[in-house]
Amino acid sequence: DIQMTQSPSSLSASVGDSVTITCRSTQSIRNYVNWYQQKPGKAPKLLISVASILQGGVPSRFSGSGSGTDFTLTINSLQPEDFATYYCQQSYSSPQTFGQGTKVEIK
Amino acid sequence: EVQLVESGGGLVQPGGSLRLSCTASGFTFSKYDMHWVRQTPGKRLEWVSVIATSGAAYYPASVKGRFTISRQNANSSLYLQMNNLRAEDTAVYFCVRGDFIAHDAFDVWGQGTLVTVSS
Repeated sequence: DIQMTQSPSSLSASVGDSVTITCRSTQSIRNYVNWYQQKPGKAPKLLISVASILQGGVPSRFSGSGSGTDFTLTINSLQPEDFATYYCQQSYSSPQTFGQGTKVEIK
Repeated sequence: EVQLVESGGGLVQPGGSLRLSCTASGFTFSKYDMHWVRQTPGKRLEWVSVIATSGAAYYPASVKGRFTISRQNANSSLYLQMNNLRAEDTAVYFCVRGDFIAHDAFDVWGQGTLVTVSS
């Protein structure tokens, strides 16, 4: 199985900051990585698919990049509603696997 | 509105069985691969199964032989039959739609149903 490793596991930031979350896979997954946001008590929400395609309704301060084994999710000008846990996921091969999550907390 | 609604979770003893259901609305159910994904108490997300539009089903090794996914397109319904349940199957189970355009990214999620395996 392909393992996905996210870093950091958590981070503290202030409103207006820019943050970057990284995700590394144990083998090349081309650009088949997706990013999800999850708030407490809610289901994950797809933010970005295929490394960089922003889903409809997702603010443009979110962006994704990368290919091969290294990927990043960047949030520019962090807003209060962005404090949540973020997961990467590979959809290159079965079983699809997720990173362990990155919790973005308010500093 | 595109929506997935799960039901059927609950408390079950180790070795027991449970059947989860998911009802879809707002989209043509038969045109999408459908998945179950679970989230453990430690918040780890795990893919549990998929049933393709063709009816082909796939599972990870952790549940293969114990779980069976099925679908009924006429009723826009998805099911997960879980047998021989173990403590490590305790999780919130989500019904999820695979977006074929985005290489099966999970673009629609239900609210989840909690399964607790405990004596």
